[in-house]
Amino acid sequence: SQTIHQWPATLVQPVGSPLSLECTVEGTSNPNLYWYRQAAGRGLQLLFYSVGIGQISSEVPQNLSASRPQDRQFILSSKKLLLSDSGFYLCAWSVLAPTGELFFGEGSRLTVL
Amino acid sequence: GENVEQHPSTLSVQEGDSAVIKCTYSDSASNYFPWYKQELGKRPQLIIDIRSNVGEKKDQRIAVTLNKTAKHFSLHITETQPEDSAVYFCAASIPGAQKLVFGQGTRLTINP
Repeated sequence: SQTIHQWPATLVQPVGSPLSLECTVEGTSNPNLYWYRQAAGRGLQLLFYSVGIGQISSEVPQNLSASRPQDRQFILSSKKLLLSDSGFYLCAWSVLAPTGELFFGEGSRLTVL
Repeated sequence: GENVEQHPSTLSVQEGDSAVIKCTYSDSASNYFPWYKQELGKRPQLIIDIRSNVGEKKDQRIAVTLNKTAKHFSLHITETQPEDSAVYFCAASIPGAQKLVFGQGTRLTINP
């Protein structure tokens, strides 16, 4: 069966520090991969998505970036965090996008101080 | 681009009553409309979806209706139970793209 792993689960970082969140999927090949952010009390904002290795689509201009170095690995990064980067980050995958089910990871809660 | 509006943002109902959450979308070419449920502290999970060639779909106590002309779709939960308390998100597919646009979410509280 397919599984998705996302880490770290929680992270507290100072303003201006770098960020790296990692997501891996097991049990499937060539999935579409997504990074969403969920700010407190708000909806799911799509940040990046990827349909293949090295292919990244950015949805929102910001100081974050994403990379897909391997088929089932998706990384969210920042060189210098801002206070506004705080939130709950969710990785997700799908093989029949956009009309197939999205499977979400357990999320990473980032607090920038 | 596609825009999805979801109402209400919060909803409180008595246990056993029905709950209805409504969403509107802007792109008439959207053809897939899923609903996700996110329990407190957990990941969102798909609970039901509907495609544009169907007007209504039901799965036990939950149902979704779609009005393509008006570009809106709704989630109906009947005989609500405490475990229905969660945040619910609607979404719409983006024509020609491998992604969904989500509504802002509805926090549903079932009062015993």
